[in-house]
Formats: sequence, C-alpha cells, structure tokens
Amino acid sequence: DTAVSQTPKYLVTQMGNDKSIKCEQNLGHDTMYWYKQDSKKFLKIMFSYNNKELIINETVPNRFSPKSPDKAHLNLHINSLELGDSAVYFCASSHRLRVRYNEQFFGPGTRLTVL
Amino acid sequence: SQQGEEDPQALSIQEGENATMNCSYKTSINNLQWYRQNSGRGLVHLILIRSNEREKHSGRLRVTLDTSKKSSSLLITASRAADTASYFCATDASTGTYKYIFGTGTRLKVLA
Repeated sequence: DTAVSQTPKYLVTQMGNDKSIKCEQNLGHDTMYWYKQDSKKFLKIMFSYNNKELIINETVPNRFSPKSPDKAHLNLHINSLELGDSAVYFCASSHRLRVRYNEQFFGPGTRLTVL
Repeated sequence: SQQGEEDPQALSIQEGENATMNCSYKTSINNLQWYRQNSGRGLVHLILIRSNEREKHSGRLRVTLDTSKKSSSLLITASRAADTASYFCATDASTGTYKYIFGTGTRLKVLA
C-alpha cells in the first residue's frame, strides 16, 4: 500500500548510457514532481506534471526527459549519462495544482551513480 | 533565488532537550512547510503554516512564522533519538508558480 513508489532504488551505470527511473503514486493525486538531491543534500525541483501536462521545467539539460503516460505515473529518462548526474532522484506527488496549501508526498528515492 | 536557508546546518543535542532550527527565505510566500528526511529515505511532511498565521503546533512540534523578517523556526520539544534526521523548510512563491523551493536543511542528531 505504498503511496509513492520508485524503481529502481539503486542504479549504477557507466557514463554515456541511457537509463530510466519509474514513479507511481496510488494517492489519486493530480500533480507529480521530480527532484534531484545532490551530495550536499540540496533538493532542487526538475519537473512537474499536472494531469499529464508539463507545468514546471526548470533549467535541466535536454538529456533529461520526463514522461507521464497517465496521472498516476511520471517516469524520468536520462540520455548520455554524465558523472554530474550522480545524485538521489525523488519523485513526489500532491493533491491538486491550484490548491494553495498543498503538501507533497515523496517516494523513497533512486540513488543514481554514474561511473 | 527564493531558496530557503536553514540554520544551523547541523545540531547535536541530548535526548529530552529541545531542538530549534531556523529557516530564512527571500520572497513573499503563500505558505511555508517543514519536512523531515531520515537517512536514505524520502521527505515526510511535518507541518504547514500559512502566510497569515504566526504560530502552529502539532504534537511536539511548534512552528513560528515571521513574514516581516522572512523567517520561520521549527521547535521540537523533548527530543527523542528517533527525531534524528534532516529537516527542511519549503516555500512556495506567492506569484503562483506552483513550485516549492527547499532549503538547505538542518541535520539534527539526538543522542540517547
């Protein structure tokens, strides 16, 4: 009965590879997010989708492409992985976009290590 | 940027003591939230305080908000070893961008 789940939990790969991280929420939320947390624990938003529509796209390299097949899923595909992509990636969801007081529910994170 | 900043960066206290951590931000907000992150885990929402509120309580947590100083504090009373975690504040801009900016976090260690 996990609320926000991510797979895989750990991902170790070589530079230049392409990889995907999957996220699913069973909370019935409309809005989903991807965050990147670096080694200093700084958490930065990357993307946000509301009902499958991209609404936030921070200055993230084009190598990162989110995809939302339905409002319960938000996947992150990364092309040509670089060393600097090593981080923990968190998926999150919240109830509804235009509600002003929205708490976010986070997944357990995916630790990506690029060698 | 609107990035919040927590201080102290790290805090170590004995079980039973109170822990206070502060968050400062840069622009007007609709609300401010506090989250906890246990090691190796995702963030968990603790409490939300609206811009028109000055103080809020939830169990052993007390949050204050001073919009004139653009700052908030989180007080954990009678701390327990299980409170050991990183604590983050998150603010949303009142300009309607619908995104939250997280602070740099305070790492709290409660010694048994």
